[in-house]
Amino acid sequence: QKEVEQDPGPLSVPEGAIVSLNCTYSNSAFQYFMWYRQYSRKGPELLMYTYSSGNKEDGRFTAQVDKSSKYISLFIRDSQPSDSATYLCAMSDTFPGTSGSRLTFGEGTQLTVNP
Amino acid sequence: SAVISQKPSRDICQRGTSLTIQCQVDSQVTMMFWYRQQPGQSLTLIATANQGSEATYESGFVIDKFPISRPNLTFSTLTVSNMSPEDSSIYLCSAWGREGDNEQFFGPGTRLTVL
Repeated sequence: QKEVEQDPGPLSVPEGAIVSLNCTYSNSAFQYFMWYRQYSRKGPELLMYTYSSGNKEDGRFTAQVDKSSKYISLFIRDSQPSDSATYLCAMSDTFPGTSGSRLTFGEGTQLTVNP
Repeated sequence: SAVISQKPSRDICQRGTSLTIQCQVDSQVTMMFWYRQQPGQSLTLIATANQGSEATYESGFVIDKFPISRPNLTFSTLTVSNMSPEDSSIYLCSAWGREGDNEQFFGPGTRLTVL
């Protein structure tokens, strides 16, 4: 069983739709949760970073973490064609960037927002 | 923030040869990482490269196959040795920003095809 599961899609929505992207995980030690966006032929870029449970909002993006269910979500409101990309969830049990820490990634969900 | 560049951006290589991928960061960083991203799959960490110490390899990856150099705080190389078609993948260099940054930055990737 993979530590992190993510529906690979592809997901296709009309412009303006609300998009929900989700990941489940099995390691209860994960405390740091991230969402990355990856455009075609580019490296991933960090979108949202959340510690422990709760919600975090940044513009049109909202990240939710439910540690009791081992479930995280990324919501995109008023989706735009420029949001078309692959979205990767990632998580870690220790503060990312410290010695010995490592991120575990989901497979990524490919999203297309149609004009 | 940190801007990461990689060379080459892509290459097509023959079985049995080796390729060295270069990673340059525009600022001094402590921790650098090398990932592999196979089509339709998540990012898999190959190794962590800290300046002044031996690289730390993840399970399934060995130094003889993926030797890494980290001569200073802005540069690293990954060599893919004795290549086989199974090594065809995108190889991504990554680094944490400056101390206190909560973000892991990625290079654009090197797309490797082994014939």
